Amino acid sequence: QKEVEQDPGPLSVPEGAIVSLNCTYSNSAFQYFMWYRQYSRKGPELLMYTYSSGNKEDGRFTAQVDKSSKYISLFIRDSQPSDSATYLCAMSSQGGSEKLVFGKGTKLTVNP
Amino acid sequence: KAGVTQTPRYLIKTRGQQVTLSCSPISGHRSVSWYQQTPGQGLQFLFEYFSETQRNKGNFPGRFSGRQFSNSRSEMNVSTLELGDSALYLCASSLATGTGVYEQYFGPGTRLTVT
Repeated sequence: QKEVEQDPGPLSVPEGAIVSLNCTYSNSAFQYFMWYRQYSRKGPELLMYTYSSGNKEDGRFTAQVDKSSKYISLFIRDSQPSDSATYLCAMSSQGGSEKLVFGKGTKLTVNP
Repeated sequence: KAGVTQTPRYLIKTRGQQVTLSCSPISGHRSVSWYQQTPGQGLQFLFEYFSETQRNKGNFPGRFSGRQFSNSRSEMNVSTLELGDSALYLCASSLATGTGVYEQYFGPGTRLTVT
C-alpha cells in the first residue's frame, strides 16, 4: 500500500462548479498536509497547508484534514478555467523542508 | 524576487552516461530539496541539503548524489544513467530555519531523457 493515494482523474467540470479533490494516507505520523497546483511544464506551487486536523479557508479554496480517517480534501468553489491544472496533495511528518510525500496528482479541467 | 532557477531545462543523454543538474535557490533560502517526477511514480523525494549538509535522503540508489555549495546553490548528479531515469527533476528551496511549515518554492524542472 502506497503511503499516499490520490485518484488521478482526469476530472472535468463546467465553470462555476464546486470541485472536490481527495487523498488518503496510511502513515499516522503525518502532521503537515499540503496542496500544490502544477500547471503544464511548470513546477508545483503551494496552494494551502494545514497542520493536524481541521479546516482552512483561503478565498475559493478550502482544505480539510480528518486525521482519524486519514483523509484530506481540497474544495474549490466557483471553479474557473484558470484552475485547470494538476493538483497534488503532499504530507510530512515534520515541518519545514523535511521530506514531502506526494500523491500522484489529479488532473482537473474546468470547461468554460 | 527571482524564483528558483534550474539549468539546463532539457537534456538528452545516453544510457551509461552521467549527468549533472544545477539549481539556484531563492536568495536567502538555505534549504534545497530535489525531487524526481515521473508519470508512473509521481513526485518522489531524492534528498535535501541545508547549509552544505545532506539532511534528508529518499529511497534512491547511490547513483543519485548531490551537493550544496556555500552560496546555497545545489547540484545533483546521476551516474550510469538508465532508461528509467528519464523524468522531470525538480528542485525546491525554502527558508527552513526552524520548526513549523516553511513553503517550498519549486523551480520549473529539468526534463531528462535517457536513450
